[in-house]
Amino acid sequence: EPEVTQTPSHQVTQMGQEVILRCVPISNHLYFYWYRQILGQKVEFLVSFYNNEISEKSEIFDDQFSVERPDGSNFTLKIRSTKLEDSAMYFCAGGGGSTYEQYFGPGTRLTVT
Amino acid sequence: AQSVTQLDSQVPVFEEAPVELRCNYSSSVSVYLFWYVQYPNQGLQLLLKYLSGSTLVKGINGFEAEFNKSQTSFHLRKPSVHISDTAEYFCAVSEFQGAQKLVFGQGTRLTINP
Repeated sequence: EPEVTQTPSHQVTQMGQEVILRCVPISNHLYFYWYRQILGQKVEFLVSFYNNEISEKSEIFDDQFSVERPDGSNFTLKIRSTKLEDSAMYFCAGGGGSTYEQYFGPGTRLTVT
Repeated sequence: AQSVTQLDSQVPVFEEAPVELRCNYSSSVSVYLFWYVQYPNQGLQLLLKYLSGSTLVKGINGFEAEFNKSQTSFHLRKPSVHISDTAEYFCAVSEFQGAQKLVFGQGTRLTINP
């Protein structure tokens, strides 16, 4: 059964550095999403991506964040200048459309020091 | 806008006992309802979903949930739990239209004691 993969599993970076989190969604999905979960808190929606453009974004998703699907398979989340408060688990998901289900990757734990 | 409230942050139960994890939601539009499970150090896995039709939905691992529109609730139940059910459980909603983003509750940590 196909599954969503994410790399790296853990990323440690210094404050102010740029990071790119990578995801390979399931190929026939239409919508792609990024969510984050700060330790001990709820999972929060960041952004959705459909037809090669952002379809919706949350207040969290400010100018420091960007998403791309550069080659039709990878789906990336870039944080330009990381802050301590960006430390969280970041989940990629795919799905939507007629099944209304979203399939999540295992997550990337981002630690900003 | 939607919001989801999971009334219990932690639920300890003994093995083979029944369990109910409570979820209430608020929305000005019709929504779909989901329960996801997160095992330690893993991603989120869909347990079950309510889209339409019968208000009692069955999912994986023996879980079921009942949609109650008048009470805006979607409580998760299992008649007999196992040690392997120890995990964090998240209730979530999404709108019918648009990007169908998921709005999650705070999560309930289910701990099964032998």
